[in-house]
Amino acid sequence: KQEVTQIPAALSVPEGENLVLNCSFTDSAIYNLQWFRQDPGKGLTSLLLIQSSQREQTSGRLNASLDKSSGRSTLYIAASQPGDSATYLCAVPPPGAGGTSYGKLTFGQGTILTVHP
Amino acid sequence: DTAVSQTPKYLVTQMGNDKSIKCEQNLGHDTMYWYKQDSKKFLKIMFSYNNKELIINETVPNRFSPKSPDKAHLNLHINSLELGDSAVYFCASSYSGRSTDTQYFGPGTRLTVL
Repeated sequence: KQEVTQIPAALSVPEGENLVLNCSFTDSAIYNLQWFRQDPGKGLTSLLLIQSSQREQTSGRLNASLDKSSGRSTLYIAASQPGDSATYLCAVPPPGAGGTSYGKLTFGQGTILTVHP
Repeated sequence: DTAVSQTPKYLVTQMGNDKSIKCEQNLGHDTMYWYKQDSKKFLKIMFSYNNKELIINETVPNRFSPKSPDKAHLNLHINSLELGDSAVYFCASSYSGRSTDTQYFGPGTRLTVL
């Protein structure tokens, strides 16, 4: 059974700092890995999807890396801003799901990020 | 323009009651989902529908009955509510069921059972 763990559970940093969020998974036979952002009282927003064949994916100040063999992904946020404050979740489809999972993602419990001015 | 909308946003009710949550997406997607986020913030899939057909039912109690009248709507009816049903329920949709498809989430319905 796939398990996804995120460390740290919470992180508080001053504005402008670069930071790294960690995600680990137990079964490396994943098709891809996604990072989401959840703002308080709101739904999830997809940030980055990194395919199993990729090592990195970038969007603006965000960079996600994936190391399947070690079962790890990191989300790097450069020059953090107070608007980055949110819960960040990573999620993977079932191992060996191939191209279709119909939403059967396993989520980590999230990292609560607070960026203070 | 709201992509995925849910109603109501908050729902407070007594144990034993029956309640429904509605979800609509205007993205033209074929696949819709219901997720449950418990008090520990773990998010788990409950159901997924593709073209109005049930694809995934993740061992959810029979008290939960989803209904998809058309591709744009996926409603969730809950019978005989229990304290443990208190959670935030999220609806989502995607173009198809492919793992590479971005899922678009609604704002959630916070259900409190007293």
